[in-house]
Formats: sequence, structure tokens, C-alpha cells
Amino acid sequence: DAMVIQNPRYQVTQFGKPVTLSCSQTLNHNVMYWYQQKSSQAPKLLFHYYDKDFNNEADTPDNFQSRRPNTSFCFLDIRSPGLGDAAMYLCATSGIQGLDTQYFGPGTRLTVL
Amino acid sequence: AQSVTQLGSHVSVSEGALVLLRCNYSSSVPPYLFWYVQYPNQGLQLLLKYTSAATLVKGINGFEAEFKKSETSFHLTKPSAHMSDAAEYFCAVRPQGGKLIFGQGTELSVKP
Repeated sequence: DAMVIQNPRYQVTQFGKPVTLSCSQTLNHNVMYWYQQKSSQAPKLLFHYYDKDFNNEADTPDNFQSRRPNTSFCFLDIRSPGLGDAAMYLCATSGIQGLDTQYFGPGTRLTVL
Repeated sequence: AQSVTQLGSHVSVSEGALVLLRCNYSSSVPPYLFWYVQYPNQGLQLLLKYTSAATLVKGINGFEAEFKKSETSFHLTKPSAHMSDAAEYFCAVRPQGGKLIFGQGTELSVKP
């Protein structure tokens, strides 16, 4: 089945230790998104790629970076995780039309010790 | 700016009872509207979306939503709740050409 895959599902890191989260998709979608979701809150968009065109949200901290080496893969790099970065990180993909559905992966739960 | 308001951060119903989750949006132009469900420690799954083809939209798991332009609402309903419906529900709006904007979510509890 076509899907959005996130690895790992659970990630534990130490304060200040860089961490990379991975997302892959078999939907061949042009657009990939990274969201941060804290407990009992709505997902918050960090950035998205339209093909290789990177679009950063204005309030996304510089501590968060992303790479998209090809259509299928996208990575979220957190350069120096703080305690406040502990959250669920959701990857999503969509086509380019406004009505196109965003398909979400299962998420990666990040714990910062 | 576009916004989405979900009335009630927590709704509790008995098994077999009607489920009604409320969503209102702010927009002068009808946007694209979505309902997503999120089970614990899972990603978001699309329940249904408004395509402007019909005001009553049927989704998965027996859910449906009615678009009412005059009320700027897109409430989610299910005639009979099941224990497996317990989850977080998000209403979202996507202005034409814009990004997806989520409401704050409603946690649905189902009592036996």
C-alpha cells in the first residue's frame, strides 16, 4: 500500500545532542511537510517542500533544519534539542492542488533528557 | 487571516449515542474543509473533506459532516458512537492556495 513512513517511531536524545528524524513516501507526491505537535495541541507546521523548493514558516526556530534529497525522502534535523522540543513530529505529503489531501505518517515521538 | 474554531476541547458520549463535534471557520470565500482523526501515538487520518460538490459529505467509519455556508460551519456527526471512536478529532481549513490550518482539536470519549 502507498503510504508515509516515519522512522524511528520513538526517539530519545540528550539535551543538545543533534538528532535526525526520517520520513519516506511511496505516494510520489510533490509536497512534503513537517509538523510539530505538542501534547493536547494541534499540529504546527514547521516547513514544507514543494519538490526541492524549501519553504520555512516564519516562526520556525533556526534549530530546526530539513533536507529532501529526492522525491521519496525528507529529513528533519534538530541541531541542538532543548527540553521544549520534546513533541510528536509528523510528516505529511500531498499533491499540488488545493483540494489535495495531506496524508500523514504515524509520527515520531521525541523525548529529550 | 483564516481561522478554525472547534467548540469543546472534550466531548463525552455514551456508546450508541449521537456524536456531534462542532467546527466553525472564518472565511469570506468558502475554503476547503477537512476532518481528521488521531488515535493515541498515531498520525492523523483523513475522515472526510468538503469538495463543494455536495454540502453533506460522507466519510469513513460512519462519520459525516454538513457544510453550512450561512453559519460558516462544518460540524461532524455520527449517529451511533462506538468505543473505537474514542480519539482526538481535528477540523482543518485550507484557504485556496494556502496551507492547512487546524483547529485546536476535540477529544472524544465514549462511555460503555
